[in-house]
Amino acid sequence: GAGVSQSPSNKVTEKGKDVELRCDPISGHTALYWYRQSLGQGLEFLIYFQGNSAPDKSGLPSDRFSAERTGGSVSTLTIQRTQQEDSAVYLCASSVQRDTQYFGPGTRLTVL
Amino acid sequence: AQSVTQLDSQVPVFEEAPVELRCNYSSSVSVYLFWYVQYPNQGLQLLLKYLSGSTLVKGINGFEAEFNKSQTSFHLRKPSVHISDTAEYFCAVSGGGYNKLIFGAGTRLAVHP
Repeated sequence: GAGVSQSPSNKVTEKGKDVELRCDPISGHTALYWYRQSLGQGLEFLIYFQGNSAPDKSGLPSDRFSAERTGGSVSTLTIQRTQQEDSAVYLCASSVQRDTQYFGPGTRLTVL
Repeated sequence: AQSVTQLDSQVPVFEEAPVELRCNYSSSVSVYLFWYVQYPNQGLQLLLKYLSGSTLVKGINGFEAEFNKSQTSFHLRKPSVHISDTAEYFCAVSGGGYNKLIFGAGTRLAVHP
């Protein structure tokens, strides 16, 4: 079956622009997570969705970051007024409740 | 709070030699433990996990890990590595009400012919 997919695979943007990153989880997975992987910070948790609700947003680094999930499926991570320190690989994962998280291939974001 | 320490940032090893990648964790609650592998320009793939039960866990590609509660460790081992095992390996812990993963900094395994 299909795994977690993310789009775009690569995104280059200019400082100050807004970007949207998309995640399509595995069908039937109720839990969805966003992580960020950067050279300086390693792998960091950003936000967790259970269904369409986000009970844990504690990892979002600033109010420029937001995320939503609709229909208990697709999720979008939005970064407003991008900064160079936002450059990273953004990873999405999904799971069935507390079971194994399956990761997508990631979106590489480069802010010039 | 939970944390994970991977003691080696890089591990060079010759093909067919054994390898151990070390991982220590700290947590005030019961934890689940994971090892993930990341090949270049790819996402994370689960190697193995410890949830409960037997402390020796076997995973894919011939890897295994042993959960040691007294030493708060979850070291990853393979008796004979291949060139194709060259990748970055991440140890992770989760606990509490859901599965937010806390990752270690990663260990880069380089297998040489």
